[in-house]
Amino acid sequence: EPEVTQTPSHQVTQMGQEVILRCVPISNHLYFYWYRQILGQKVEFLVSFYNNEISEKSEIFDDQFSVERPDGSNFTLKIRSTKLEDSAMYFCASHNRVHTEAFFGQGTRLTVV
Amino acid sequence: QKEVEQNSGPLSVPEGAIASLNCTYSDRGSQSFFWYRQYSGKSPELIMFIYSNGDKEDGRFTAQLNKASQYVSLLIRDSQPSDSATYLCAVIPDSGYALNFGKGTSLLVTP
Repeated sequence: EPEVTQTPSHQVTQMGQEVILRCVPISNHLYFYWYRQILGQKVEFLVSFYNNEISEKSEIFDDQFSVERPDGSNFTLKIRSTKLEDSAMYFCASHNRVHTEAFFGQGTRLTVV
Repeated sequence: QKEVEQNSGPLSVPEGAIASLNCTYSDRGSQSFFWYRQYSGKSPELIMFIYSNGDKEDGRFTAQLNKASQYVSLLIRDSQPSDSATYLCAVIPDSGYALNFGKGTSLLVTP
């Protein structure tokens, strides 16, 4: 069964460092998303991406965040200068049509120390 | 702010019973509604989606939607200990594409 894959599964970084989280969405999907979940809190939307551009972003997705689809398969989230409060699980999701079910990757646990 | 509200629980039911999980949403124009299950430390896993008023059944799961009351629910029949997890209600608002999640309801099925 096709699945969304994310790497790494766990990343530890020092405050102020840049991190790149990677995702390979399901191959025929067209809409890609990043969500995050701080421990004990709800899943929060960060950004959506369609047709090689950002289609929607939340207030959380400020200038320290960026997304890119560098080739036909990968979808990345970059955090330029990490802060302690960026520590969370980051989930990539994708679907092939709007307003349909989205499938989530297994997540990357980011720990900023 | 468009809200999705769920009782955080925990909801405890005995094995074999029906578990009823509820969710309300504030955006009246919302069109798409989803239930995800999340085990601790894992990613959300889709259980069901529903778009139209009424009931939708899939195996032991039934989703119910009432747009007039802005209410969506999930019933789990013959609950099993393996159903113990956090159940996330998610809504796509009319104006966007992204899922807006509730905080989730923790379900505990006791043997």
